[in-house]
Amino acid sequence: QKEVEQDPGPLSVPEGAIVSLNCTYSNSAFQYFMWYRQYSRKGPELLMYTYSSGNKEDGRFTAQVDKSSKYISLFIRDSQPSDSATYLCAMQRGGSEKLVFGKGTKLTVNP
Amino acid sequence: GAVVSQHPSWVICKSGTSVKIECRSLDFQATTMFWYRQFPKQSLMLMATSNEGSKATYEQGVEKDKFLINHASLTLSTLTVTSAHPEDSSFYICSVGQPNEKLFFGSGTQLSVL
Repeated sequence: QKEVEQDPGPLSVPEGAIVSLNCTYSNSAFQYFMWYRQYSRKGPELLMYTYSSGNKEDGRFTAQVDKSSKYISLFIRDSQPSDSATYLCAMQRGGSEKLVFGKGTKLTVNP
Repeated sequence: GAVVSQHPSWVICKSGTSVKIECRSLDFQATTMFWYRQFPKQSLMLMATSNEGSKATYEQGVEKDKFLINHASLTLSTLTVTSAHPEDSSFYICSVGQPNEKLFFGSGTQLSVL
């Protein structure tokens, strides 16, 4: 079993839809959880950063962490064509800088 | 967040040649930088941790003699792919950040070896 599992999609939604992206993980030692957005042939851009369980909201983006289920989610409200990108989840153990990434989910928001 | 500049963004080279990729931290003194590799439709894989003034730490399975890392200053780390072969063709990305804090990535370098 891989440490981080993420459905690669692709996921296609109409503009204005609510998008739900998810990752599961197997290592209970992960403490820090991140979501990155990556446009084609560009470096990842940090979207959300959370520590331990709970919700975090930033504009149209909401990140949720459920450590009991080893499951994290990113919700995008009122999705826009400019949100079309690959979304990568990443996790980090406490005390270590090494990030473990999911494969990424390719999202397309259609006008 | 930290501004990370990576150069070149795209390089094509012949098999057997060496390619150097630079990663600069423009507004942050980085004692540690990270080098990742990303194959198409695959996740980012950490290759090595670059430490200023000391040897890099390589992940299991990464050939340190092939992927030479130099971190000579707090703002610059370089990755040299020596004797590149077509199987080294990939997207290479560097990142900087504080331990247990956010990491910020460069724009990446697409390497194509003919």
